[in-house]
Amino acid sequence: DIQMTQSPSTLSASVGDRVTITCRASQSIGNWLAWYQQKPGKAPKLLIYKASKLESGVPSRFSGSGSGTEFTLTISSLQPDDFATYYCQQYNSYRTFGQGTKVDIK
Amino acid sequence: QVQLQESGPGLVKPSETLSLTCTVSGGSIRSSYWSWIRQAPGKGLEWIGYIYSSETSYTIYNPSLKSRVTITEDTSKNQFSLRLTSVTAADTAVYYCVRHQVAGSDAFHIWGQGTMVTVSS
Repeated sequence: DIQMTQSPSTLSASVGDRVTITCRASQSIGNWLAWYQQKPGKAPKLLIYKASKLESGVPSRFSGSGSGTEFTLTISSLQPDDFATYYCQQYNSYRTFGQGTKVDIK
Repeated sequence: QVQLQESGPGLVKPSETLSLTCTVSGGSIRSSYWSWIRQAPGKGLEWIGYIYSSETSYTIYNPSLKSRVTITEDTSKNQFSLRLTSVTAADTAVYYCVRHQVAGSDAFHIWGQGTMVTVSS
């Protein structure tokens, strides 16, 4: 099984901050990685697919990078609507999620 | 646009079978991949399995759940379903049905709102 490890688990930040979340795969997954945003009581929302491709309608302040085993999600300037939990997910073999990173208000 | 709606009992007794249905509107279930994903209270996301709907439909399941899971489709009703046997309290979760992206990638694209299932006597 491919394990996905996100860091940090919790991140405290302020509006306007640049935020980076890291996701590491236990083996190479190429660029078969997605990022999701989830708010309390809501279904997750796809932000990034194929490691770096922005889903339609997602603000350009979100970006993804990486390949192989190391990936990052960056929010260039954190907005009030961005306080949420973020998950990475691999789809190279079966499907596995990271444990999540909660971005809260500093 | 495609929309998904989960339905099924909100309470299931331990050792019994959990059964949920996802009704798809705004598009056919044919020629697409459809997953079930769950989230225990306060926990992360767990993929359960998917079905590819076609003339020769097939399923892939999470190895950790494979012995208890069955995903089926009903193309006449544009639905797909989840069956999870021998449930325990650990199966208490919000269950989501999801459509994968349709071309060039396979991320989880369109999500239902989720349905809470509690396993308790």
